[in-house]
Amino acid sequence: DAGVTQSPTHLIKTRGQHVTLRCSPISGHKSVSWYQQVLGQGPQFIFQYYEKEERGRGNFPDRFSARQFPNYSSELNVNALLLGDSALYLCASSLGTTSTGELFFGEGSRLTVL
Amino acid sequence: AQSVSQHNHHVILSEAASLELGCNYSYGGTVNLFWYVQYPGQHLQLLLKYFSGDPLVKGIKGFEAEFIKSKFSFNLRKPSVQWSDTAEYFCAVTYYGNKLVFGAGTILRVKS
Repeated sequence: DAGVTQSPTHLIKTRGQHVTLRCSPISGHKSVSWYQQVLGQGPQFIFQYYEKEERGRGNFPDRFSARQFPNYSSELNVNALLLGDSALYLCASSLGTTSTGELFFGEGSRLTVL
Repeated sequence: AQSVSQHNHHVILSEAASLELGCNYSYGGTVNLFWYVQYPGQHLQLLLKYFSGDPLVKGIKGFEAEFIKSKFSFNLRKPSVQWSDTAEYFCAVTYYGNKLVFGAGTILRVKS
């Protein structure tokens, strides 16, 4: 079975640009969460979507936005990129909400902002 | 703010040594607790989890963890590590359901 897939795997942007990251959950999973992992730190929660509705938001500025599509895939958008946005962005899917089960993570999209 | 502390950032052990990785969390209410592992070149995967019941939980590959509510701790243990256990280990806690808070991680290197 296919796991969580993310695209692109690597990308380089310059300050001020915007980026769109994509995630396809495991088949049958209705929840997608996004995390940011900066080098040397654990993943930081950005968003959770369940059944196409936002169910949680972390402490990130409004430059970060996300959405979930009818097929449960998801996009994370970041506008007006800053150097500090350079990180590994992880997508995770689950059957239900985080409190009830395991998160399955993708390989991540590594964003470098120059 | 909710937080998770992992006591050691780097641990080096020889094969067959015993392992204990510390994890403490800040919230005093009901929490769900997890240990995730990331092997070199692979994605994060669940090692074990605690929701309720027996505070000693067993996970994959011989790992176990003990939930001590009075100490807000969820330490990971393995009696005898193998070279293949070399990885980064993350403790994580859910607060209010939808948000998983991770610790900073512990990089374990097992010498063969």
